[in-house]
Amino acid sequence: GENVEQHPSTLSVQEGDSAVIKCTYSDSASNYFPWYKQELGKGPQLIIDIRSNVGEKKDQRIAVTLNKTAKHFSLHITETQPEDSAVYFCAAKEGYIPTFGRGTSLIVHP
Amino acid sequence: IAGITQAPTSQILAAGRRMTLRCTQDMRHNAMYWYRQDLGLGLRLIHYSNTAGTTGKGEVPDGYSVSRANTDDFPLTLASAVPSQTSVYFCASSGLAGDNEQFFGPGTRLTVL
Repeated sequence: GENVEQHPSTLSVQEGDSAVIKCTYSDSASNYFPWYKQELGKGPQLIIDIRSNVGEKKDQRIAVTLNKTAKHFSLHITETQPEDSAVYFCAAKEGYIPTFGRGTSLIVHP
Repeated sequence: IAGITQAPTSQILAAGRRMTLRCTQDMRHNAMYWYRQDLGLGLRLIHYSNTAGTTGKGEVPDGYSVSRANTDDFPLTLASAVPSQTSVYFCASSGLAGDNEQFFGPGTRLTVL
């Protein structure tokens, strides 16, 4: 089955800095890669996704890149703000059931 | 109801007791899922269902059972709770296409003493 590795487990940045979270996957059949943000006390919520026929996707301050050959994808957050502090999960899907990474706790210091 | 709801919000349970966590969605999604979230271990799939009347086992199914009598409801039952089942439980739903977004409920925090 699919295996998704996510790094780092914790990331601490100053407000205004950029943050990068990286994930690798094992199953070359995976073709959809969503990223979820989980705020304290809430369920995860989709923030951006990318399909395997696209190399990069951007939505305001967040962007995701995908390297199919190397089987890795990354989340980039620019100009971080305190409200970006949360746990972020990557996932990889081939069918309808995703495989999640273990999460990254992002802390943005004012 | 808007989206996906879970009940109860939290529960403290004595070991050996039976407990059912409720999950309801109003988006007419075919697929529903139960995850448990433990510190450092991310989201682990317990059970899933891709349509009413069918269920499947995920990564950590032991000690849990589910049913899918209709499209909207997907209850998770702990027949005889043990302390290792202390966790936060999330229900989710989605369409069946590979690029369909998963929608998560607000979670149930369960403590088994």
